[in-house]
Amino acid sequence: DAGVTQSPTHLIKTRGQQVTLRCSPKSGHDTVSWYQQALGQGPQFIFQYYEEEERQRGNFPDRFSGHQFPNYSSELNVNALLLGDSALYLCASSITGGSYNSPLHFGNGTRLTVT
Amino acid sequence: QQPVQSPQAVILREGEDAVINCSSSKALYSVHWYRQKHGEAPVFLMILLKGGEQKGHEKISASFNEKKQQSSLYLTASQLSYSGTYFCGTERRGGYQKVTFGTGTKLQVIP
Repeated sequence: DAGVTQSPTHLIKTRGQQVTLRCSPKSGHDTVSWYQQALGQGPQFIFQYYEEEERQRGNFPDRFSGHQFPNYSSELNVNALLLGDSALYLCASSITGGSYNSPLHFGNGTRLTVT
Repeated sequence: QQPVQSPQAVILREGEDAVINCSSSKALYSVHWYRQKHGEAPVFLMILLKGGEQKGHEKISASFNEKKQQSSLYLTASQLSYSGTYFCGTERRGGYQKVTFGTGTKLQVIP
């Protein structure tokens, strides 16, 4: 049973560029959440996708956008990269419906470095 | 608002016990606990619902006091494998798994 997979694992970009990160959820999961984790900090909620729509959003600028596909996989796009966007980006999948008790299953993340 | 964890860091010898606290200023629906080892993804430990629920996972257990909006994680007879950073995550009613993570507690177990 494949868990959450993210690609790429590492990425180096220049300030001002754009980046796309990808996530495939755990089998049977329909909800994808994206988190940004700076070094030594807890994960910060970026947004969540369900039924191919952004259902919730954290306090991140519009430079951060996403998409969910019919197979539940998801992309995170960041435009006009800033040095402060350097972080580990985590994708977490879960199940909506039935109960609110679904835990988050995380991928290993994409380490983004902006120079 | 981000929940606050205490202590920020703790060093234990194998076999010792520890308690990690998580406090929120908001009314909570549930509390999640995760452990993250260096360079790895956070791993789910347990979820607690409001109502004084307690749960156990091997020698790791937790409690949730909804009135105080606090949760505590208890690690007993610690093992080297318990080392890592522990995060609580809080969820509000109607939050649809929007989990807000705490500041983290770095736990190191030494021989």
